[in-house]
Amino acid sequence: SQKIEQNSEALNIQEGKTATLTCNYTNYSPAYLQWYRQDPGRGPVFLLLIRENEKEKRKERLKVTFDTTLKQSLFHITASQPADSATYLCALALNYGQNFVFGPGTRLSVLP
Amino acid sequence: GAVVSQHPSWVICKSGTSVKIECRSLDFQATTMFWYRQFPKQSLMLMATSNEGSKATYEQGVEKDKFLINHASLTLSTLTVTSAHPEDSSFYICSVRGRATYEQYFGPGTRLTVT
Repeated sequence: SQKIEQNSEALNIQEGKTATLTCNYTNYSPAYLQWYRQDPGRGPVFLLLIRENEKEKRKERLKVTFDTTLKQSLFHITASQPADSATYLCALALNYGQNFVFGPGTRLSVLP
Repeated sequence: GAVVSQHPSWVICKSGTSVKIECRSLDFQATTMFWYRQFPKQSLMLMATSNEGSKATYEQGVEKDKFLINHASLTLSTLTVTSAHPEDSSFYICSVRGRATYEQYFGPGTRLTVT
């Protein structure tokens, strides 16, 4: 069956450390994978996209990797800050973006 | 990106009544909009894809007669939950497809509580 999982429901880290979130999927063949941030009671906000033929993407303190062999993406936030505390969702873009499947999310708490 | 609004931001209704939720693309002509539902501590579940001027495409398991979608213009899509029941209580979020196929901009969501 098709499945998309994120490594943990919640993750606590100390301010200044690097947060690493994992997204795994089975029985999907996404053209690309996206990461979103969602704050409580709000809609998701797009952060980064990585294509199937890309290994790594960076944007300021964010880094995403994509391994289509392992069917896994890693999302890193370096020098984390309390303001980074939120739920992070990965999403698979299927059929070249005709529809999207979201992971359950990881709730990140950055402790001062 | 596109700026997307939703109205209302929250609504409480009685069981058996119908509720309409609006999704507006404020600065972008959206030919495609998506409607999602999110239960507490769960991820977004795509309910339907709405294309301007044509019938919406519903995901498997979503009742099209219960969740009526109208995308009559390039800036407005509406979701009507008909004969709402407590199990329909959820967070409903719309999104707009951007210029590139993979771009998607979300509204702030509407919290529906059915009593």
